[in-house]
Amino acid sequence: GQNIDQPTEMTATEGAIVQINCTYQTSGFNGLFWYQQHAGEAPTFLSYNVLDGLEEKGRFSSFLSRSKGYSYLLLKELQMKDSASYLCAVRDRGNTGFQKLVFGTGTRLLVSP
Amino acid sequence: EAGVTQFPSHSVIEKGQTVTLRCDPISGHDNLYWYRRVMGKEIKFLLHFVKESKQDESGMPNNRFLAERTGGTYSTLKVQPAELEDSGVYFCASSQASGFASTYEQYFGPGTRLTVT
Repeated sequence: GQNIDQPTEMTATEGAIVQINCTYQTSGFNGLFWYQQHAGEAPTFLSYNVLDGLEEKGRFSSFLSRSKGYSYLLLKELQMKDSASYLCAVRDRGNTGFQKLVFGTGTRLLVSP
Repeated sequence: EAGVTQFPSHSVIEKGQTVTLRCDPISGHDNLYWYRRVMGKEIKFLLHFVKESKQDESGMPNNRFLAERTGGTYSTLKVQPAELEDSGVYFCASSQASGFASTYEQYFGPGTRLTVT
């Protein structure tokens, strides 16, 4: 089956660092995505990992360990605008060989002053 | 460049009625996906088009849902007749490529919030 777990909610203060974890079990893994979603808006792409290791993009970094079925999103120098839901999604090959995203329930991050 | 657009943004209908949701993907994106988020649950895959062909419709809940993409441009998702459990946010996404080796991300629209009363 497919299962993706991430914490429901996290809080942090402005300027701090926060790590959002994601564990997954899927049958046809081909990459892991992190999306950011503000309330009422479209999910927007943050990062993509397909090989083990760390991908850094500005204040955001994402890490993947395929053997452990584990990823994290690291947000540095938090800003108030980072308050949003963060969605972990695994790209699954599915039955047809094409790609579909399997999502976790999302982690709601609240950044306080 | 315009992003993925969806219409309407909100729809409130009564049980038993019909609703049609529309998605316009990013120009040039052959791949179009429909997803749904029911209250409190994760976003779930419904189906995937490559141009006008349905490649994967394994996530469609039942035969009350019909998706089309005539001409391989915009797509519609019709729910007929709507039931209470169909309430949720319906997202559309598009991407340039979808093959096993592709790294292209899916770009999401803002969603249509459907409420069935």
